[in-house]
Amino acid sequence: GENVEQHPSTLSVQEGDSAVIKCTYSDSASNYFPWYKQELGKRPQLIIDIRSNVGEKKDQRIAVTLNKTAKHFSLHITETQPEDSAVYFCAASEAPYTGTASKLTFGTGTRLQVTL
Amino acid sequence: DGGITQSPKYLFRKEGQNVTLSCEQNLNHDAMYWYRQDPGQGLRLIYYSQIVNDFQKGDIAEGYSVSREKKESFPLTVTSAQKNPTAFYLCASRGREHNQPQHFGDGTRLSIL
Repeated sequence: GENVEQHPSTLSVQEGDSAVIKCTYSDSASNYFPWYKQELGKRPQLIIDIRSNVGEKKDQRIAVTLNKTAKHFSLHITETQPEDSAVYFCAASEAPYTGTASKLTFGTGTRLQVTL
Repeated sequence: DGGITQSPKYLFRKEGQNVTLSCEQNLNHDAMYWYRQDPGQGLRLIYYSQIVNDFQKGDIAEGYSVSREKKESFPLTVTSAQKNPTAFYLCASRGREHNQPQHFGDGTRLSIL
């Protein structure tokens, strides 16, 4: 099955700096890659996702890049703010991610701390 | 994600006891999922269901059971066979459309008395 590795496990940045979290996946047929943000004791919330037919996607201060050849994808957060502090999870689909006949494999998470 | 309701928020289990966690969704989603989350670890899939009256084991199904008698409901039973049940349990659902994301409930925190 799919295997997703996520690095780093913890990341501390100063407010205003950028943060980058990287994930690798094993199944070359995977075609859907979401990122979730989870605040302490709360539900994971989708912040951005990317399909395998695009290499980059942006949403304000958040961007995701995908390198299918190398089988890795990254989350980029620019101009970080204290409210960005949370645990971030990447995930990859079991191919094919069509209809309902699929499931996600999650990375182990990155705890991001934005300091003042 | 107000459309996915998990209850209770906190649950305590005695030794040898089965407990059931509730998950209800009003999003008309076909697929539903149960995950277990331990400190410092990612979400691990316990069971998932693509359609009513059908479900599949995930990566860590031992000691758990589920049912899917209604589209909107996917309860998870933690049986006495699960020797280390203390964890945060998350339910998710997803629509049928291509590449729709999973949406999560607020979770249930289960502890052993």
